[in-house]
Amino acid sequence: NAGVTQTPKFQVLKTGQSMTLQCAQDMNHEYMSWYRQDPGMGLRLIHYSVGAGITDQGEVPNGYNVSRSTTEDFPLRLLSAAPSQTSVYFCASRDTQPTGELFFGEGSRLTVL
Amino acid sequence: RKEVEQDPGPFNVPEGATVAFNCTYSNSASQSFFWYRQDCRKEPKLLMSVYSSGNEDGRFTAQLNRASQYISLLIRDSKLSDSATYLCVVNIKLLGTSGSARQLTFGSGTQLTVLP
Repeated sequence: NAGVTQTPKFQVLKTGQSMTLQCAQDMNHEYMSWYRQDPGMGLRLIHYSVGAGITDQGEVPNGYNVSRSTTEDFPLRLLSAAPSQTSVYFCASRDTQPTGELFFGEGSRLTVL
Repeated sequence: RKEVEQDPGPFNVPEGATVAFNCTYSNSASQSFFWYRQDCRKEPKLLMSVYSSGNEDGRFTAQLNRASQYISLLIRDSKLSDSATYLCVVNIKLLGTSGSARQLTFGSGTQLTVLP
């Protein structure tokens, strides 16, 4: 049972570099989202999508882009990495019910030097 | 003010103890409430939903007080395996460009260590 798969698990970038965090789910969930987790801040919503072709901003969207061309995939792009983007990133999905359980990927630990 | 506030702890308790965590939320329109558990360097996982009438799952009891906008989690007979961070989660409505959608907002978590 794959669930939500994120890659890479670890990444080190230099300031100004770009990269894409990949996220895929095999549960046919319409809703997908990206969170970042920083010490003392909890998980904060970056972007979310309620279905293929639809994306929207969360609490902390600046510096990140997303797209949702298929139901399964929801990549997160950092166009020009900054040290403030050093964090642990989690992709998550759930079904359309707002009370549905949120399933998380294992996380991607990103360090920007 | 944060949407969801928790005492960060840490709570260090002996095995067999009863421990309670509290959480307050600011949005009175919140409709759904949850506790998630996160082990060190792992992803969060749903522990239990919180219902208005209160609910119990084995050694875990969750309570909701809508008037005070307050959620609690009680763990009885603590086990070593209960050591984790417990995240209070509230479902709130965000209005985005694609319409409104309910989002899960996470507290920063309460760290529990159960000692032998």
